[in-house]
Amino acid sequence: NAGVTQTPKFQVLKTGQSMTLQCAQDMNHNSMYWYRQDPGMGLRLIYYSASEGTTDKGEVPNGYNVSRLNKREFSLRLESAAPSQTSVYFCASIVRINTEAFFGQGTRLTVV
Amino acid sequence: QQQVKQSPQSLIVQKGGISIINCAYENTAFDYFPWYQQFPGKGPALLIAIRPDVSEKKEGRFTISFNKSAKQFSLHIMDSQPGDSATYFCAAKGHYGQNFVFGPGTRLSVLP
Repeated sequence: NAGVTQTPKFQVLKTGQSMTLQCAQDMNHNSMYWYRQDPGMGLRLIYYSASEGTTDKGEVPNGYNVSRLNKREFSLRLESAAPSQTSVYFCASIVRINTEAFFGQGTRLTVV
Repeated sequence: QQQVKQSPQSLIVQKGGISIINCAYENTAFDYFPWYQQFPGKGPALLIAIRPDVSEKKEGRFTISFNKSAKQFSLHIMDSQPGDSATYFCAAKGHYGQNFVFGPGTRLSVLP
């Protein structure tokens, strides 16, 4: 039982390049989230998916797109990376409202 | 109104001492208040959580105190150990909202 798995763990991009961060959970959870973590700012929500087939913007969605491929997988895409997107990205999932959120190990992204 | 404030930003405690981290919120619709612990290079993991119908919850050395009228809650770590050295995030969530709102985090160092 792996929980929430993110790939890759580390990535360096050049400005303007695109990439997709992958997230998969094996806990049959309904809701999935993408957060970014920056020093002194906690975790800020980028996008979330309340259930399979739905996605909604969070606090900081600009420059990102998401796809809820199925119940297990929720991907985050950067179409044209910018240095301001240098951050640690976390995927999380919950089984239902107001229960524990399970986080992946994170993807450390550097845009140069 | 969605913000969760957290203090202190960093905390140094001697082994065996008490660590106290405080959080405050504005949105009275929040009804779930978890604390997450994060070690370097790892994703956050749920430590303990409380709902506003109780004023205190204790799990081992970790206690949440909740003051609904003041809209404040705090984490107390008794008999702090070097293994407790981590970053701690408080969070809040409303029943009908899909987003956890996180505080900016407190970096705790417990000296041996």
